[in-house]
Amino acid sequence: DIQMTQSPSSLSASVGDRVTITCRTSQTINNYLNWYQQKPGKAPRLLIYGASSLQSGVPSRFSGDGSGTDFTLSISSLQPEDFATYYCQQTYSTPAFGGGTKVEIK
Amino acid sequence: EVQLVESGGGLMQPGGSLRLSCVASGFTFSTNYMSWVRQAPGKGLEWVSVTYSGGDTYFADSVKGRFTISRDSSKNTLFLQMSSLGAEDTGVYYCARTSGNYQFYSYDYWGQGTLVTVSS
Repeated sequence: DIQMTQSPSSLSASVGDRVTITCRTSQTINNYLNWYQQKPGKAPRLLIYGASSLQSGVPSRFSGDGSGTDFTLSISSLQPEDFATYYCQQTYSTPAFGGGTKVEIK
Repeated sequence: EVQLVESGGGLMQPGGSLRLSCVASGFTFSTNYMSWVRQAPGKGLEWVSVTYSGGDTYFADSVKGRFTISRDSSKNTLFLQMSSLGAEDTGVYYCARTSGNYQFYSYDYWGQGTLVTVSS
């Protein structure tokens, strides 16, 4: 099975900060990598698919990059509604999610 | 508007069985892959199962042999039949529309989730 490591597991940031979350896989997955946002008590929401494609309706401050084994999700200017937990997911083999990154208010 | 509405969760005794349902609307249900994803309390997301439009089904090792997935396209409904339930199956179960194909897919719409609690 492909192991997925998200880092950091949590971070504190202020409104307006640039935030970057990393997802690393134990073997190459090309660009079969998605990013989701989840707020407490809510279902996840797709942000990025195919490593870098922005899902319809998602603000352009979100971006994804990477290929192979190393991927990033960036938020260019953190907004109050962006405080949430973010998960990466690989679909190269049996689908699996990273452990999550909780973005909290500093 | 795409909507997915799960139901069927509840409190179950260990070893019991339960069937979850997910009613879909706003898209052509029969031609879409559909998945179940679960989340234990305070934990991350775990893929459970997928059914392809052609009928193939796949399961996570943790539920293989105990869970089955099916759909009734005449009723736009996805099911997850769960048996031999254990405490490790406790969590919120989400159905998700699975868009794309082969390895290039993602869960673009999710239901609100239904809570399954396995406890004596």
